[in-house]
Amino acid sequence: AQSVTQPDIHITVSEGASLELRCNYSYGATPYLFWYVQSPGQGLQLLLKYFSGDTLVQGIKGFEAEFKRSQSSFNLRKPSVHWSDAAEYFCAVGTGSGTYQYNFGTGTRLKVLA
Amino acid sequence: GAVVSQHPSWVICKSGTSVKIECRSLDFQATTMFWYRQFPKQSLMLMATSNEGSKATYEQGVEKDKFLINHASLTLSTLTVTSAHPEDSSFYICSARLGISGNEQFFGPGTRLTVL
Repeated sequence: AQSVTQPDIHITVSEGASLELRCNYSYGATPYLFWYVQSPGQGLQLLLKYFSGDTLVQGIKGFEAEFKRSQSSFNLRKPSVHWSDAAEYFCAVGTGSGTYQYNFGTGTRLKVLA
Repeated sequence: GAVVSQHPSWVICKSGTSVKIECRSLDFQATTMFWYRQFPKQSLMLMATSNEGSKATYEQGVEKDKFLINHASLTLSTLTVTSAHPEDSSFYICSARLGISGNEQFFGPGTRLTVL
């Protein structure tokens, strides 16, 4: 069965510092991978996705993620964090077959210090 | 493109009443829609998968008689919380899969349900 692990429940960084949010997955085949951001009381916004091809994926708001099959990881990065990036971040893996369900990680709450 | 709407965005109801939440794919047809529940400071939990014209498939532990799902058209799925109780208070999010072979779900903005 597929699963997603986000090891860090909370992360605090200073504005302008770099950021890396970790995501590890377990899935037998090539996964479809996603990163979403959620502000309090809001829905999900897609940051980026990986289906195939180039393992370094560029997303919106200056985010990028790298798919590493050998490490079963899809970590999210941003070189310089802005205060507006404070939110909850979810990694998700899709089965890519059948009903095509998603499995979400538990989320990482990002706090940005001024 | 690929916009999903939910209505209402928030609802407050009395214990024992039923509440219907609508999920619409505005600019595409969605054979499959999904309903999630999210408790405060937690992740999304898949409640059920609905396919147009057939009965929804519920995840283990989700009461199908409590959470009625109807997917009568390719652009509309509804979730009805029957005889709501305070413990049903949550954030409900729907998503829709593009066509029958899409690899991505598009999410609605969510509905905040508060049961008094």
